Amino acid sequence: GEDVEQSLFLSVREGDSSVINCTYTDSSSTYLYWYKQEPGAGLQLLTYIFSNMDMKQDQRLTVLLNKKDKHLSLRIADTQTGDSAIYFCAESPTNDYKLSFGAGTTVTVRA
Amino acid sequence: EAGVAQSPRYKIIEKRQSVAFWCNPISGHATLYWYQQILGQGPKLLIQFQNNGVVDDSQLPKDRFSAERLKGVDSTLKIQPAKLEDSAVYLCASTGQGSNEQFFGPGTRLTVL
Repeated sequence: GEDVEQSLFLSVREGDSSVINCTYTDSSSTYLYWYKQEPGAGLQLLTYIFSNMDMKQDQRLTVLLNKKDKHLSLRIADTQTGDSAIYFCAESPTNDYKLSFGAGTTVTVRA
Repeated sequence: EAGVAQSPRYKIIEKRQSVAFWCNPISGHATLYWYQQILGQGPKLLIQFQNNGVVDDSQLPKDRFSAERLKGVDSTLKIQPAKLEDSAVYLCASTGQGSNEQFFGPGTRLTVL
């Protein structure tokens, strides 16, 4: 079964903030990632956070990590139509970087 | 810098036929991964190479799947014979030495009829 779990769908109005949630199971030192996949394209790394961090911000993206609950979220500020895609949460241990992905959250941005 | 290249982009075959996919990683990237992404799921690792050696192939169905990276650069993934459940997108990714950032190619979409 999946070690990483995500909600499957999110619909958001253009200009609003999107919040995508993920839970993971690995309790050891790990990296946690957010990837974006547009139709017919490969995965694009958006951002990642090390498990000893609480938050990381990069332009419109904010990652929050709750280590106690093993909960990761990605907030996209001022969501645009170009943000419509599937977003994957993934984790990897720090010793070999092999990725374990969630099933992906399909984000639809409506005008 | 050129990205990860994969070919073909699409392939349709009948069950029991053979198929091969090709990947050219980013220049200088020592680590190469093949993933299988079934529709509606996240990618699942099939095999990891470090240069021309296999690091992890524990999830590769070895009765029908094989992969090689003979010169430590390009890699091929083969399925022989294909089954209906092999229909998926096959993604190749690579990373530089000591890096945790995997760069993905566009994938090959395989349909087995």
